[in-house]
Amino acid sequence: QSVLTQPPSASGTPGQRVTISCSGTTSNIGSDPVSWYQHLPGTAPKLLIYNNDQRPSGVPDRFSGSKSGTSASLAISGLQSDDEADYYCAEWNDSLNGYVFGTGTKVTVL
Amino acid sequence: QVQLQESGPGLVKPSETLSLTCTVSGGSISSAYWSWIRQPPGKGLQWIAFVSSSGFRSYNPSLKSRVTISADTSKNQVSLKLSAVSAADTAIYYCGRDEGLGYFDLWGQGTLVTVSS
Repeated sequence: QSVLTQPPSASGTPGQRVTISCSGTTSNIGSDPVSWYQHLPGTAPKLLIYNNDQRPSGVPDRFSGSKSGTSASLAISGLQSDDEADYYCAEWNDSLNGYVFGTGTKVTVL
Repeated sequence: QVQLQESGPGLVKPSETLSLTCTVSGGSISSAYWSWIRQPPGKGLQWIAFVSSSGFRSYNPSLKSRVTISADTSKNQVSLKLSAVSAADTAIYYCGRDEGLGYFDLWGQGTLVTVSS
């Protein structure tokens, strides 16, 4: 039972910008850093963003993250067909002493 | 580079105990926290548990009564046991690494476990 809410789907045409939201509360996103993962079926999930807005080396700068209050966002600019995947936000929750994943968003490239 | 490989039986009978192993190659399981995460068919990711090489553990409250996680530094492996399984435990099970920073920077490819008689 996730307490991080994402829209179930998002879509765009190649080259467009798509934004995915991750909504929480003051006890999770409001107080903890957020990470984002890209997951293609049958493959290992891939870290895209950590600490709200940091990109690991190798992740294109088309992917960007932000956080404000109790919501976080992942933006994909210059949408490509390879970006068609499921995207999850997540956070380490001190009170749970564990991790919480968002509900997930399926991105479709039209 | 460090790689994670999950292994275990693909099929488990209802009410039995599921046992999975994550083998870490190319690096040590020390100085990191190792988690099991699963994805039931058509659903999202769910964190199950984590363990450190020193044995510190934490469990998802919704699964805590049925889960045991452990780390074997001599074998560089992390194991998961889930008891009294039902069809609801059918999922792809992944292991993931957190170097103590609150996010998973490395994942395994996952292993599919089906619970069925």
